[in-house]
Amino acid sequence: QITLKESGPTLVKPTETLTLTCTFSGFSLVTNAVGVGWIRQPPGKALEWLALIYWDDDKRYSPSLQSRLTVTKDTSKNQVVLSMANMRPVDTAKYYCAYRDNGGSFLVWSQGTLVTVSS
Amino acid sequence: QSVLTQPPSVSGAPGQRVTISCTGNSSNIGAGYDVHWYQQFPGSAPKLLIYSTNNRASGVPDRFSGSRSATSASLAITGLQAEDEADYYCQCSDSRLSVPVVFGGGTKLTVL
Repeated sequence: QITLKESGPTLVKPTETLTLTCTFSGFSLVTNAVGVGWIRQPPGKALEWLALIYWDDDKRYSPSLQSRLTVTKDTSKNQVVLSMANMRPVDTAKYYCAYRDNGGSFLVWSQGTLVTVSS
Repeated sequence: QSVLTQPPSVSGAPGQRVTISCTGNSSNIGAGYDVHWYQQFPGSAPKLLIYSTNNRASGVPDRFSGSRSATSASLAITGLQAEDEADYYCQCSDSRLSVPVVFGGGTKLTVL
């Protein structure tokens, strides 16, 4: 059974860097063609893809946020870490990590964590 | 503004059939990339509903089906039930944007 759970702060100040950790089980990030993605959803708004890291350490980012995002993985700990620099109030959202299978869909999602950006 | 356009809302009475469209272009759906659909209830994480255009995820009733045409995809729900009231999102890749993931803007389904 695949599960993912994100951890990190629920409140950050403007200009700070947000660091979220996704700890997963039930799959390995060394398996061919799989990945872990990060998606966010501002309150009442649509899903927005942020980043994706593949089994081979290939990394992809949303073009609009690329300069602020970094994604890394630690396969020994079954963790993926997302960093977003220079946080702003408009970045207030629920942040999800999700398992991406070799077909390209996000098969399993974390429960999500609400991150509020406020001074 | 997403490159995948969905109607903000659709509605239908119990037992009816509704469809939700996902309109793209030649760099995403029209390029042949797989389309996936997700269902999201308020306060919950999205759940995979349909993968690779027309394959139901595990446990999804056969009332749900997906299809595609040239530059668009559709999610159809037959025998509408009150429990189907949720938000629905399509997902694809895009070659012009060089991104593996784009989401549609989402559609709120209301069961009358």
